[in-house]
Amino acid sequence: DAKTTQPDSMESTEGETVHLPCSHATISGNEYIYWYRQVPLQGPEYVTHGLQQNTTNSMAFLAIASDRKSSTLILPHVSLRDAAVYHCILRVANQGGSAKLIFGEGTKLTVSS
Amino acid sequence: NAGVIQTPRHKVTGKGQEATLWCEPISGHSAVFWYRQTIVQGLEFLTYFRNQAPIDDSGMPKERFSAQMPNQSHSTLKIQSTQPQDSAVYLCASSLDLSQNTLYFGAGTRLSVL
Repeated sequence: DAKTTQPDSMESTEGETVHLPCSHATISGNEYIYWYRQVPLQGPEYVTHGLQQNTTNSMAFLAIASDRKSSTLILPHVSLRDAAVYHCILRVANQGGSAKLIFGEGTKLTVSS
Repeated sequence: NAGVIQTPRHKVTGKGQEATLWCEPISGHSAVFWYRQTIVQGLEFLTYFRNQAPIDDSGMPKERFSAQMPNQSHSTLKIQSTQPQDSAVYLCASSLDLSQNTLYFGAGTRLSVL
């Protein structure tokens, strides 16, 4: 699986819109971009995923560059509950193949009041 | 939907003892994954099952660690002769199937080996 690069940490203030970048210059055409987040004492939580088109759900907006070499997870109006480590992961999603997700260090998002 | 249930939440063992960790996946999910998390190594993949069959155990230590899934409602991770370096949070996750990688994680079992 291709590698992703994320900043180690980012800081924000409640109510702000946060942009979390992820670089994946060697992404393959059949690799999806997944985002998970993890808070202390809990397991990772699925946030969103996409292949080529931008996607949105109740948690976040995922913007994918047209060349797919980078993506940005956009968190609108963050609250203290959004403070977590955010992981950007690439994975080929195919039935029958190895489906494990490989987590990197992620970006630690700090939210202050 | 209670989510993925892991028991116990905390387990303390003495060096050399055996530890068995339990995972109950979300009902109807066909894939179960085990991960280990430490501050130093981060989140490490251990093994996973699909329809109860072991598919990929490439992350499992070669000795003392074993995982089973005797039925669709639970999986176990067993560590024999535990060592202090086995201390970690062990996370279980399940997914509906392998065509999508939306894994749902449990809260984990914190294993402390004294």
